[in-house]
Amino acid sequence: DQQVKQNSPSLSVQEGRISILNCDYTNSMFDYFLWYKKYPAEGPTFLISISSIKDKNEDGRFTVFLNKSAKHLSLHIVPSQPGDSAVYFCAASVSADGLTFGKGTHLIIQP
Amino acid sequence: DAGITQSPRHKVTETGTPVTLRCHQTENHRYMYWYRQDPGHGLRLIHYSYGVKDTDKGEVSDGYSVSRSKTEDFLLTLESATSSQTSVYFCAISERPGTGGYTFGSGTRLTVV
Repeated sequence: DQQVKQNSPSLSVQEGRISILNCDYTNSMFDYFLWYKKYPAEGPTFLISISSIKDKNEDGRFTVFLNKSAKHLSLHIVPSQPGDSAVYFCAASVSADGLTFGKGTHLIIQP
Repeated sequence: DAGITQSPRHKVTETGTPVTLRCHQTENHRYMYWYRQDPGHGLRLIHYSYGVKDTDKGEVSDGYSVSRSKTEDFLLTLESATSSQTSVYFCAISERPGTGGYTFGSGTRLTVV
């Protein structure tokens, strides 16, 4: 039973355009949601997070939106750059019990 | 990289042998976690620790044990390795879990033949 779902295995976006990565969840107890970026042969790197009591958090080119009623969150990257090409993981947590990850979305930024 | 080191980085072992992976941190963070990453599954939590000698099971703990005798070291042991445990293993540390403060190591690629 997957509690965090990323339904798009891959996404291709032109450089300079907006990248939108989506994530759905089923567990209402999640209190924090996070996005991680991962390059091959490296560990995941933290990008941005949002508390369950907020609906938006912004950090530079990255914005995360949370829609609790729909149990949906999204990551917006504007503008997309070649270095953004990576696998992006959505993750969620309940207190200190570790992160539950989605399967990831491979973002490809086309020149 | 934020004071977290995994060793070894790569290991090939035979089915049935015991294997221990080490996670070492220099950040004095209370919380430590072991994950495995497999194609089509993302990262899955194996075990975690919320202090010295305090550990708990994660989603995929069968076949694994952990120990934390010092704040800085979190060991993951495969008692008798199986081919299904071939994976990339990541350790993570956190001072304030849930706020995004999880830092991951570079991973250990384990192959069981």
